[in-house]
Amino acid sequence: KNEVEQSPQNLTAQEGEFITINCSYSVGISALHWLQQHPGGGIVSLFMLSSGKKKHGRLIATINIQEKHSSLHITASHPRDSAVYICAVSSRGSRLTFGEGTQLTVNP
Amino acid sequence: DGGITQSPKYLFRKEGQNVTLSCEQNLNHDAMYWYRQDPGQGLRLIYYSQIVNDFQKGDIAEGYSVSREKKESFPLTVTSAQKNPTAFYLCASSIMASGGVEQFFGPGTRLTVL
Repeated sequence: KNEVEQSPQNLTAQEGEFITINCSYSVGISALHWLQQHPGGGIVSLFMLSSGKKKHGRLIATINIQEKHSSLHITASHPRDSAVYICAVSSRGSRLTFGEGTQLTVNP
Repeated sequence: DGGITQSPKYLFRKEGQNVTLSCEQNLNHDAMYWYRQDPGQGLRLIYYSQIVNDFQKGDIAEGYSVSREKKESFPLTVTSAQKNPTAFYLCASSIMASGGVEQFFGPGTRLTVL
């Protein structure tokens, strides 16, 4: 079993829909990261959080430390949100452990 | 413009040849990392370096080698001992931020071994 599990693996939505991607982890962590990988391969960091909730524009990330679970929400989804969303946790110094990613496709 | 550069974006090599992937950062970060990404799998750590002239093996170091002679550079050599080298390779660097370590990624190099 992977230390970081994401669901769903693939997600297709219509433009404007509310999207949720889930991440569960099995180890103690110092922080959880949500990353976005564009079709060209580049990865950008969306959020780093260790408790509570963070919001940036239409993106919201939440984490429940007791349940070892995090969610990434996208409100009013748009085709430009189509990407792979990756959950990662830092638990051993500066090293990250990554989930397999969720491929999101938003259709116009 | 601060960031991480990887070159080349696409690389083709014949089986049995060693190949070196470049990674340069001008973010003044101490720590740097190399990851491998295969379809349907999460990123896996090959090597990392927390300071110049020091590096540690990650989870899949066999068949790879690195050097860290300068703070800004962390080249990865894929040797002929790597049995399945065709993959997407990502370099990253990190900084300690409030709440944890934040990693920054390069654009990646897609290596194809023919």
